[in-house]
Amino acid sequence: GDSVTQMEGPVTLSEEAFLTINCTYTATGYPSLFWYVQYPGEGLQLLLKATKADDKGSNKGFEATYRKETTSFHLEKGSVQVSDSAVYFCALSDRNTGNQFYFGTGTSLTVIP
Amino acid sequence: EAEVAQSPRYKITEKSQAVAFWCDPISGHATLYWYRQILGQGPELLVQFQDESVVDDSQLPKDRFSAERLKGVDSTLKIQPAELGDSAMYLCASSLGNRDVGTEAFFGQGTRLTVV
Repeated sequence: GDSVTQMEGPVTLSEEAFLTINCTYTATGYPSLFWYVQYPGEGLQLLLKATKADDKGSNKGFEATYRKETTSFHLEKGSVQVSDSAVYFCALSDRNTGNQFYFGTGTSLTVIP
Repeated sequence: EAEVAQSPRYKITEKSQAVAFWCDPISGHATLYWYRQILGQGPELLVQFQDESVVDDSQLPKDRFSAERLKGVDSTLKIQPAELGDSAMYLCASSLGNRDVGTEAFFGQGTRLTVV
């Protein structure tokens, strides 16, 4: 079945450091890939997405590239800010399963000044 | 900006009591999801509706949980009786449900349930 595996946290970085959060997936079809962000006590918000191989999703300085050959969708940001502190979830949806979403376990990021 | 509305935001209930959560999806969204998120983990699907029909409820503990979306719009998730292990965040999400590639899900703020 479909699944998502992402690197475990927590991750602590200094402001302006480079961020990478690894995500790999398993899917029977051709899924769409997403990164969602969750702030404390809140629901999930879409950060970026990619729908086919080699697509790059980007938003607010974050980027992720859909790599079919390595079944990966790693999240990167060149210079993190304190306001980026949150939990990040990698997810996939697959039309073959009625667009059901599968989430990773989440990676907690804390950025210190 | 359209949002998924959930209520209540917080609920404390005693073990063995009944509890219900309500969700109003974004207008026009045919697909509605209920997820359970245990602290420190990712959301896990409980039930998925397409309009008023259940698409997937394979992970819904049907001996105590029930979900309905009678008119294909808002939805209610019920737990009876609640158990200590049900303490979690319950998230509702909706999407257009048109099976297009890359259709995103929009999430509500969730209901934090504590069973004591």
